[in-house]
Amino acid sequence: AQKVTQAQTEISVVEKEDVTLDCVYETRDTTYYLFWYKQPPSGELVFLIRRNSFDEQNEISGRYSWNFQKSTSSFNFTITASQVVDSAVYFCALSEAFRGGSEKLVFGKGTKLTVNP
Amino acid sequence: EADIYQTPRYLVIGTGKKITLECSQTMGHDKMYWYQQDPGMELHLIHYSYGVNSTEKGDLSSESTVSRIRTEHFPLTLESARPSHTSQYLCASTAGVGGRTYNEQFFGPGTRLTVL
Repeated sequence: AQKVTQAQTEISVVEKEDVTLDCVYETRDTTYYLFWYKQPPSGELVFLIRRNSFDEQNEISGRYSWNFQKSTSSFNFTITASQVVDSAVYFCALSEAFRGGSEKLVFGKGTKLTVNP
Repeated sequence: EADIYQTPRYLVIGTGKKITLECSQTMGHDKMYWYQQDPGMELHLIHYSYGVNSTEKGDLSSESTVSRIRTEHFPLTLESARPSHTSQYLCASTAGVGGRTYNEQFFGPGTRLTVL
């Protein structure tokens, strides 16, 4: 079965620090997709990024960057110059085949990030 | 911005009551999901729908039931609420018809249910 591990349960940083959230996955699929979601205190999950298994290029979006390394089965997420508004729970997820040929997302347990002023 | 809605946002109810949590999306997505999120943050898939008149149980056994009579609507019902049902319930949908499309799921704001 597929598995996503986010070993960091909670991280606390001071504003303007850089912070990296780790994500390690296990899959037997040759084609798969990885995702990151943000869950602010308001409760909804906000989609951040989707990356397929054939594209190992790092991606940058503003202060956010993602490092995908198939060799270590990792898809880490870095926030540069963190801000208080970045405080949230962050989930890493992996697509998995589901019944009837469809799919579901396998989520990690989440990392709670607190950015202090 | 995702157009997926859940009502109510918060619900406090007594044991034994029947409740229905509403979920609607205006994106025309065929696939919809219900997740239960415990206080430890972990998300558990409890129901899934491929499209109208199709529903499947998820990974986590749940006493709730779902229906999918219209594409845009995926309500979850608890016939007799118990304190063990206290949790956050999140609804999601994704684009694509049949098979694996690997598309992102869009989530609603969630319903925080408390059963006394």
